[in-house]
Amino acid sequence: AQKVTQAQTEISVVEKEDVTLDCVYETRDTTYYLFWYKQPPSGELVFLIRRNSFDEQNEISGRYSWNFQKSTSSFNFTITASQVVDSAVYFCALSGPNFGNEKLTFGTGTRLTIIP
Amino acid sequence: GAGVSQSPSNKVTEKGKDVELRCDPISGHTALYWYRQSLGQGLEFLIYFQGNSAPDKSGLPSDRFSAERTGGSVSTLTIQRTQQEDSAVYLCASSLDPRWVAGLSYEQYFGPGTRLTVT
Repeated sequence: AQKVTQAQTEISVVEKEDVTLDCVYETRDTTYYLFWYKQPPSGELVFLIRRNSFDEQNEISGRYSWNFQKSTSSFNFTITASQVVDSAVYFCALSGPNFGNEKLTFGTGTRLTIIP
Repeated sequence: GAGVSQSPSNKVTEKGKDVELRCDPISGHTALYWYRQSLGQGLEFLIYFQGNSAPDKSGLPSDRFSAERTGGSVSTLTIQRTQQEDSAVYLCASSLDPRWVAGLSYEQYFGPGTRLTVT
């Protein structure tokens, strides 16, 4: 069975601070895919990133970066120089080996509040 | 282009009534998913359609829930004899099939959801 744990239920930081959202996963698949989605107050889930289990390189996209470590089964997400627009609920998710094209198992989400 | 659309955006129904929720996927997306987001359960998978293959119904919580996908496009999620615990936001997502579009993006794109309230 697959499981995703986001231990941080809520985080509040002051604008311009860096913040890291933790994600720990469990799976028996040797090939799997990891995702992060953002759910702003409007409610619609927005895709941020997909990583496959073969690629442990860290990825950076603007102020966003992701740290994937198979040894600790973690896929953490860091926002640098946070902005108010980053306030949202962030979900980490996991899927099996079918190229990520199958059901997602989500974590319970982390509500991030950026204080101006 | 147009994203995933869902209707209605809000639905209030009385306990015991049947409801139908509709999802229009992104044109050309062969895979379609239904998820449910509720306060107590978070985001949970319900059902998955991929092309002409038999759907993966493993996430449906009871036999009161069913879904169909007509013509490989529009999908309807039906909940019969609704209960208060069915109150949630029902999300639909669609994606390309990577078996046919190697190299292209095939992540799941989500619709805005239907908020169902059972009174």
